[in-house]
Amino acid sequence: ILNVEQSPQSLHVQEGDSTNFTCSFPSSNFYALHWYRWETAKSPEALFVMTLNGDEKKKGRISATLNTKEGYSYLYIKGSQPEDSATYLCAFLDSGGGADGLTFGKGTHLIIQP
Amino acid sequence: DGGITQSPKYLFRKEGQNVTLSCEQNLNHDAMYWYRQDPGQGLRLIYYSQIVNDFQKGDIAEGYSVSREKKESFPLTVTSAQKNPTAFYLCASWTGHGYTFGSGTRLTVV
Repeated sequence: ILNVEQSPQSLHVQEGDSTNFTCSFPSSNFYALHWYRWETAKSPEALFVMTLNGDEKKKGRISATLNTKEGYSYLYIKGSQPEDSATYLCAFLDSGGGADGLTFGKGTHLIIQP
Repeated sequence: DGGITQSPKYLFRKEGQNVTLSCEQNLNHDAMYWYRQDPGQGLRLIYYSQIVNDFQKGDIAEGYSVSREKKESFPLTVTSAQKNPTAFYLCASWTGHGYTFGSGTRLTVV
């Protein structure tokens, strides 16, 4: 079973502050790294799919970076807003391809305090 | 709108009973998945199906069964052999780039 770790497990951030958290994954047999946002009572929503070492992707105030050689990805949120409160999941896909399923981390639970 | 529908949203089961969770998609996706989430744990893969009439065990398949008779449907049966079935269950399909998820079913054994 592949090991995907996310830290911290939970995070309280003041509205307006920026924050970041980490996903670490196996550096061998890498194919892709996925980030999802999961708001309470909703379905997880895809944020980014990252495939190349050095990738940096951005969606509004949220961005992510990827280092496949050392096996980590950072997710950054700039100027946090209450609507950013959610659990952020990363998921690793090995070189076997997507149809066998993603391996998920436990998530980082982000709470934005007004 | 295309998507994945899971039903019911909440399900209560007596010990020793089998129960079936529904997952339907109208996205025309071939591959579908069932995950389980427990408090403090990540999503763990129960079963997946890459094509109609074929499915594979995931990491925690014991005590579960599935069928894939139609492309649109991938029901999960939680059998009485599953020792700790109380959990949140998520169904997903593979878009080719990532997952589309349903909204989940919370199963409680009473």
